[in-house]
Formats: sequence, structure tokens, C-alpha cells
Amino acid sequence: AQSVTQLDSQVPVFEEAPVELRCNYSSSVSVYLFWYVQYPNQGLQLLLKYLSGSTLVESINGFEAEFNKSQTSFHLRKPSVHISDTAEYFCAVTKTSYDKVIFGPGTSLSVIP
Amino acid sequence: EAGVTQFPSHSVIEKGQTVTLRCDPISGHDNLYWYRRVMGKEIKFLLHFVKESKQDESGMPNNRFLAERTGGTYSTLKVQPAELEDSGVYFCASSSLLGGGTDTQYFGPGTRLTVL
Repeated sequence: AQSVTQLDSQVPVFEEAPVELRCNYSSSVSVYLFWYVQYPNQGLQLLLKYLSGSTLVESINGFEAEFNKSQTSFHLRKPSVHISDTAEYFCAVTKTSYDKVIFGPGTSLSVIP
Repeated sequence: EAGVTQFPSHSVIEKGQTVTLRCDPISGHDNLYWYRRVMGKEIKFLLHFVKESKQDESGMPNNRFLAERTGGTYSTLKVQPAELEDSGVYFCASSSLLGGGTDTQYFGPGTRLTVL
């Protein structure tokens, strides 16, 4: 069975500062990895995904995540955050693209002006 | 292209009443999933349809929950009778079977259910 750990439930950070949201997963098989984001009063949106190939994946709004198989991690980073990045971020895994998604508990990112 | 839509966005009901949630997947998506997040907990899988067939319903909490997908298009999730612990946000997601195994699940905005 797969599981996902997000050690930080809340991360406050000042605007324009860098941020890293940590994600570790446990699985006995290869998995696909995702970061989903939920902005206030909105639904879940896919931020980025790792399926295969390059271990560094990027989103259109400046976030990046690196798949590290040896450390079973998929940490999310952004070099300079904006107020608009305030949201809850969920790391997730799935065995295949059509299998159920296993979510981490979420990290609430608060960007402070 | 329209995304996954869910109706209603909010529902407030009394304990013991019945509520039906609806999900319209992205057009052409054969996979449809239901998830829910109860307060303070993780988002958990409920069940998975492939077209009109239930592929995996291992996450359904009990027999008060009934999901249907007649005709393989939209899906409904009925809770009857609702209990206090059913409160939470119910998400629907869909994905295509045609992506060679790499398609992503796209989520709807969720239905926030409050049972009083």
C-alpha cells in the first residue's frame, strides 16, 4: 500500500522569500507523484506531476518539485513566493494514472505581506 | 473545454435526511472517482467508475452511501440517512482511458456537506 507524509501542516513565509514544502511517500511499487493545490474557496487543481523522465518538474507559476527515489521524496519549492500562493498544498501518489489517488494530509502555506 | 462540475456547491441538512450529490465529468472521460475530506482529515478515496461499472468501491464507508453512474456520463452519490460524521467536502474527479496510462485525474470544485 502507498502512503504520503507531509510533515509540515502549516508553513508561514514572508512574501518574496523562498519556500519548500516537504513530501515523502512510501510504496513497494513505482508510483506517479503529484502536487495538487487548493486556493481559498476553490477546488483542487493539479500543480505539477512526475510520471517518468526528468526528475525535476516545473509548474507554470514558478513552483518546481524534484523526485528523489532514494529518499522517496517529492519536495515542492519556489524561490520567491507571492501573496497569491497562499493555499493548501497536497502531495499525492498513485500506482497508475487510473488508480485511486492517495493524498497526504496537506500543508497550508500562508504568505505574509 | 469544461472541467469537472459538481452540484450543489454547498448542502446543509439535518441528521437522518437524504442528500444526493451530482458530478459531471469532463466530456469523454470514462473514469470517474469520488473522494471526500472530512474536517481535519486527509482526502480519502471513495470509489471509482469505469463508464457505468464500479471498478473499485473499497473506500465507501458503509451502506448509507450509494453511488450510481447510469449511462456512463454523470454520477450521483446519495447519502441516506445522513449522519453527523458525513460532514465534509466531497470531490469528484475524472480521467480519460485513452492517454496511454499517463492521464491525470482532474478534480471538481467539491460539494461541502454539513449535517446538523
